[in-house]
Amino acid sequence: GAVVSQHPSWVICKSGTSVKIECRSLDFQATTMFWYRQFPKQSLMLMATSNEGSKATYEQGVEKDKFLINHASLTLSTLTVTSAHPEDSSFYICSARKGQENTQYFGPGTRLLVL
Amino acid sequence: GEDVEQSLFLSVREGDSSVINCTYTDSSSTYLYWYKQEPGAGLQLLTYIFSNMDMKQDQRLTVLLNKKDKHLSLRIADTQTGDSAIYFCAEIFTGNQFYFGTGTSLTVIP
Repeated sequence: GAVVSQHPSWVICKSGTSVKIECRSLDFQATTMFWYRQFPKQSLMLMATSNEGSKATYEQGVEKDKFLINHASLTLSTLTVTSAHPEDSSFYICSARKGQENTQYFGPGTRLLVL
Repeated sequence: GEDVEQSLFLSVREGDSSVINCTYTDSSSTYLYWYKQEPGAGLQLLTYIFSNMDMKQDQRLTVLLNKKDKHLSLRIADTQTGDSAIYFCAEIFTGNQFYFGTGTSLTVIP
């Protein structure tokens, strides 16, 4: 199998606080993980590509100081939304690439609501 | 950026076939994928096709690829109410990054 989990599933926070979202590959090692953002009724937008042991590569228009990504091990990547604001409210989905496969396996997503 | 387009909505009656279409612009993509997203959930991989293939069948799912026209389709035979979801096509791009289509919301009418 290729199971990817995310934690938490839901998070509600006050404006100005930081939120950490974890993405784990449960039964395989993931050298590359991806973070996406999805607004209601819209497609997924790639935010950044995360490689284990190196700095993440951010897509154009994504603030790397606001969305901190750490890929500390082959099974865990974290996304920290720093000083969150209401406009950061969204559905964040991670995916993991298994070995040299091209296929990405997606986590269930984390819904963030910033009040 | 890459443009991957889909029609937004599709309604079919239970038992009929559904055909979801997707057009893309990058002819150098190597793999094209179909994912299913149920409300409030992540993406479930349905199937994928290598770019040198024209067709791939997997149980009720048939994927057709017209590389010349850059057109991909997903046919679901004997559509069931449990198939109601949003379907995304995606193509793999440089650096193994995916570019997703806009998504097609499939509604199956009992």
